[in-house]
Amino acid sequence: EPEVTQTPSHQVTQMGQEVILRCVPISNHLYFYWYRQILGQKVEFLVSFYNNEISEKSEIFDDQFSVERPDGSNFTLKIRSTKLEDSAMYFCASSWEGTSNQPQHFGDGTRLSIL
Amino acid sequence: GIQVEQSPPDLILQEGANSTLRCNFSDSVNNLQWFHQNPWGQLINLFYIPSGTKQNGRLSATTVATERYSLLYISSSQTTDSGVYFCAVVRYSGGGADGLTFGKGTHLIIQP
Repeated sequence: EPEVTQTPSHQVTQMGQEVILRCVPISNHLYFYWYRQILGQKVEFLVSFYNNEISEKSEIFDDQFSVERPDGSNFTLKIRSTKLEDSAMYFCASSWEGTSNQPQHFGDGTRLSIL
Repeated sequence: GIQVEQSPPDLILQEGANSTLRCNFSDSVNNLQWFHQNPWGQLINLFYIPSGTKQNGRLSATTVATERYSLLYISSSQTTDSGVYFCAVVRYSGGGADGLTFGKGTHLIIQP
């Protein structure tokens, strides 16, 4: 079964540094998502992406965050100047449709630790 | 936005027991998914079930969309069923690709 792949599985970064999290969505999917889960809390939606632009974003997704699809397969989340509170698990997801009539498929996540 | 409430928050059972996890949501939804988060943090998709009933082995789920709730049944629990079970929903807004709204989860511990 096709999978969403995320790299790296664990990223340790100094506060103030930029970090890029990478995702390879399922190949025929058109809609892409990033979610965040702070340790011990629920999973929260950050942003969705379709047709090379942001489709929806939450209040969490401020100017520190950006997303990009640099080529035909990768989907990235960049945090420009990391803060301690950015420490979390970040999940990428993809779906064939974005109108909620199809399930979203999740990757295994990247655990981001800010020191 | 839409609210998702899961109950119970914690559940401890002996191996072999059956359990029912509940998810209530505050508005009509277009998508409902159940996930199992294992001890390594991976989110395993269990069911896509905006309405109706589905079964997969020892697990089954029922969503009664008109009454705004979903139930996840686990029969003959095994220690590997331990973890956090999340319900997540989307109410399509008519705009772009909407993100899932997750509940806080049910933390299930199966003791041998």
